[in-house]
Amino acid sequence: KAGVTQTPRYLIKTRGQQVTLSCSPISGHRSVSWYQQTPGQGLQFLFEYFSETQRNKGNFPGRFSGRQFSNSRSEMNVSTLELGDSALYLCASSSMGLAGGQYNEQFFGPGTRLTVL
Amino acid sequence: AQTVTQSQPEMSVQEAETVTLSCTYDTSESDYYLFWYKQPPSRQMILVIRQEAYKQQNATENRFSVNFQKAAKSFSLKISDSQLGDAAMYFCAYRSGGGTASKLTFGTGTRLQVTL
Repeated sequence: KAGVTQTPRYLIKTRGQQVTLSCSPISGHRSVSWYQQTPGQGLQFLFEYFSETQRNKGNFPGRFSGRQFSNSRSEMNVSTLELGDSALYLCASSSMGLAGGQYNEQFFGPGTRLTVL
Repeated sequence: AQTVTQSQPEMSVQEAETVTLSCTYDTSESDYYLFWYKQPPSRQMILVIRQEAYKQQNATENRFSVNFQKAAKSFSLKISDSQLGDAAMYFCAYRSGGGTASKLTFGTGTRLQVTL
């Protein structure tokens, strides 16, 4: 099985622009979670999507949004970029079902390195 | 809210030796999972080992084992027979066990160096 893929791998933007990052989960996985990793704040949960619905959300401003498509691929969008948005954005997929609770391993992608100038 | 604390920013171990990475957490939940993830320079997060809170037996995966002390809310990782390939950032993480939660709460990480 192919692993989680994220595109693009590297991105450079300027302040005020917007950006869209993409994540393709492992085939059959319906849950996709996004994390932001920075040297100052560490790894922080952004949101999780399951069956095209946002199921969980972290403590980030409304400039951060996401969506999931019927094929489980997910995108996250950051509008009006700020210097502090420079980070590694990681996506993780799992086969977690509706009932939750049962452990389903999360598999991480290689990340997208976003640099805001 | 749950918190995860890793008090060792950096650790060093000689090849073939044993090292223990520390992690403490805080939660009021009784059902949860704990994980250790490895992040090498490639930045790909790799699951090393997991522990279900309801299990008293400590998890073991080859050279990796944990010491899970539920009452003390402590979850340390022991790496035996350390190898050069073990050099990486190690993150302790927490996940609620109930409902549909999949959110992972991470510690700040411990950078492990492996020397010859």
